[in-house]
Amino acid sequence: DIQMTQSPSSLSASVGDRVTITCQASQHINKNLIWYQQKPGKAPKLLVYDASILETGVPARFVGRGSGTDFSLTINNLQPEDIATYYCQQCQSLPPAFGQGTKLEIK
Amino acid sequence: DVQLLQSGGGLVQPGGSLRLSCDVSGFTFRLFAMSWVRQAPGKRLEWVSSISKDGLTTFYADSVKGRLTISRDNSKNTLYLQLDTLRVEDTALYYCAKLEEDGHWGQGSLVTVSS
Repeated sequence: DIQMTQSPSSLSASVGDRVTITCQASQHINKNLIWYQQKPGKAPKLLVYDASILETGVPARFVGRGSGTDFSLTINNLQPEDIATYYCQQCQSLPPAFGQGTKLEIK
Repeated sequence: DVQLLQSGGGLVQPGGSLRLSCDVSGFTFRLFAMSWVRQAPGKRLEWVSSISKDGLTTFYADSVKGRLTISRDNSKNTLYLQLDTLRVEDTALYYCAKLEEDGHWGQGSLVTVSS
């Protein structure tokens, strides 16, 4: 099974900052990576699929990059509404696997 | 629009059973594998089970193997999760999800295991 390693586990930044979350797959997954945003009490929300394609309606300050085993999600110009936990997920093969999550807080 | 509408869940005693359902619309259900993911209060997402698009192959996390059964009815566009021999540690919000290509999730079903 493919394992996903996500870092950091938590992150504190100021409004307007740029933050980056990374995700590493235990084996090559091409671009089969999804990023989600989850707010308390809500289902995860799709942000990015195919590693870099922004879901409709997601602000362009979210940028997904990577292929193979190394991936990143960058949030430019951090906004207060970006407070959430972010997860990566590989969809190369079953079973799917999630990263451990990154809890983002605003300073 | 893609919709995954969940039903089922509730309070059950340890050792009890429940069945969750997930009615899907907005994409061709029979063409995609489907999954269940759970989240205990304050905890991270935990993959629980997946089923291939034809229903012939199933996958389970070690923590639930032998107690949970995933199934699907492609004629009804519905995904199921049968939960048996429930334990206190199975208490969580259970989500059905399409995790292939792009990710779409149901609203969640709360399962509480308590005496």
